Amino acid sequence: QQPVQSPQAVILREGEDAVINCSSSKALYSVHWYRQKHGEAPVFLMILLKGGEQKGHEKISASFNEKKQQSSLYLTASQLSYSGTYFCGTETGDDKIIFGKGTRLHILP
Amino acid sequence: GAGVSQSPSNKVTEKGKDVELRCDPISGHTALYWYRQSLGQGLEFLIYFQGNSAPDKSGLPSDRFSAERTGGSVSTLTIQRTQQEDSAVYLCASSSTSGRANEQFFGPGTRLTVL
Repeated sequence: QQPVQSPQAVILREGEDAVINCSSSKALYSVHWYRQKHGEAPVFLMILLKGGEQKGHEKISASFNEKKQQSSLYLTASQLSYSGTYFCGTETGDDKIIFGKGTRLHILP
Repeated sequence: GAGVSQSPSNKVTEKGKDVELRCDPISGHTALYWYRQSLGQGLEFLIYFQGNSAPDKSGLPSDRFSAERTGGSVSTLTIQRTQQEDSAVYLCASSSTSGRANEQFFGPGTRLTVL
């Protein structure tokens, strides 16, 4: 079951904050976040595991509400380099990661 | 060390022909995924290999698609009788063990164009 991401697209000015949401209709064991720049492969940002463990970059934060089957990615004081498409991937107990359709983020100078 | 590699980087074929796409995962990675990304679209799951377990083929869109992984390493995705709607970038990713708790490393992709 593909997770649902919102919003589909965001335009920000440099320095503004953004939140990207990811929700699932099934119970989640882990949530994965990746960023993809145009013409490049997706790059790992963070994994959030059931039970509270997180793996990822210090400058990026995310939350995982197991009860609500939701995760949010927080991008604070955005920089031009944050532009790209953000994907959340969810794992529901079968060890495979299913990605959402992505959120396009564009940062203006 | 070497990352995930895929070949060819670009493939142009005629409708009805068969194509093979290759993925070389990072050495020692037991988990391997294939995804498809159409223009401006998300990452569509195709198939997942984990160690010696039977692959999860639940994402393959039709029986024209098949994949194998030899010796727990190299994987080949085969598309038979290609159709124009098969045109997309095919991405391969590997992770060290379980997909649940480990980063996926993506290859650069194979851009398939079916004329």
